[in-house]
Amino acid sequence: EPEVTQTPSHQVTQMGQEVILRCVPISNHLYFYWYRQILGQKVEFLVSFYNNEISEKSEIFDDQFSVERPDGSNFTLKIRSTKLEDSAMYFCASLQSGSLNEQFFGPGTRLTVL
Amino acid sequence: AQSVTQPDIHITVSEGASLELRCNYSYGATPYLFWYVQSPGQGLQLLLKYFSGDTLVQGIKGFEAEFKRSQSSFNLRKPSVHWSDAAEYFCAVHSSASKIIFGSGTRLSIRP
Repeated sequence: EPEVTQTPSHQVTQMGQEVILRCVPISNHLYFYWYRQILGQKVEFLVSFYNNEISEKSEIFDDQFSVERPDGSNFTLKIRSTKLEDSAMYFCASLQSGSLNEQFFGPGTRLTVL
Repeated sequence: AQSVTQPDIHITVSEGASLELRCNYSYGATPYLFWYVQSPGQGLQLLLKYFSGDTLVQGIKGFEAEFKRSQSSFNLRKPSVHWSDAAEYFCAVHSSASKIIFGSGTRLSIRP
């Protein structure tokens, strides 16, 4: 069964460093998403991406964040200068098409900022 | 604005007992509703979803949920819980902008 994959599973970085979180969505999916979950809290929407552009972003998704689909298979989330409060689990999701379909979530990347 | 409320932060039930986790949503149109389960340190697993049709939906692991429009609720139920059901449960709504909005979660503990 096709699945969304994410790498790395755990990333440790120093405050102020740039990180790139990688996701490989399901191959025939057209919509892509990033969510984050701070430890012990709920899952929050960050950004949605369709047709090579951001379709919606939350207030969390400020200028420090960017997304890219560099090669038609990967979908990346970049944080330019990490802060302590960026420590969280980051989930990628993809959706085939239309709103009547289910978003499929990846296993997550745990980001720890020291 | 769309929102999801899970009023119970933590619930403990005895193994073999029945379970009901509450979820209320706020949404202008017909909602697309989901329940996800998350074990510690793990990702999100979809238990079940409601898009339309029969208001009682069956999911995996013996779970079911009932959509009640009049009460804006989508409560999750299981007739007999197992120790392996201990986890965090999230109710969610698929918003008009295609993002998913999650509730704050209910942590389920199982008493032996």
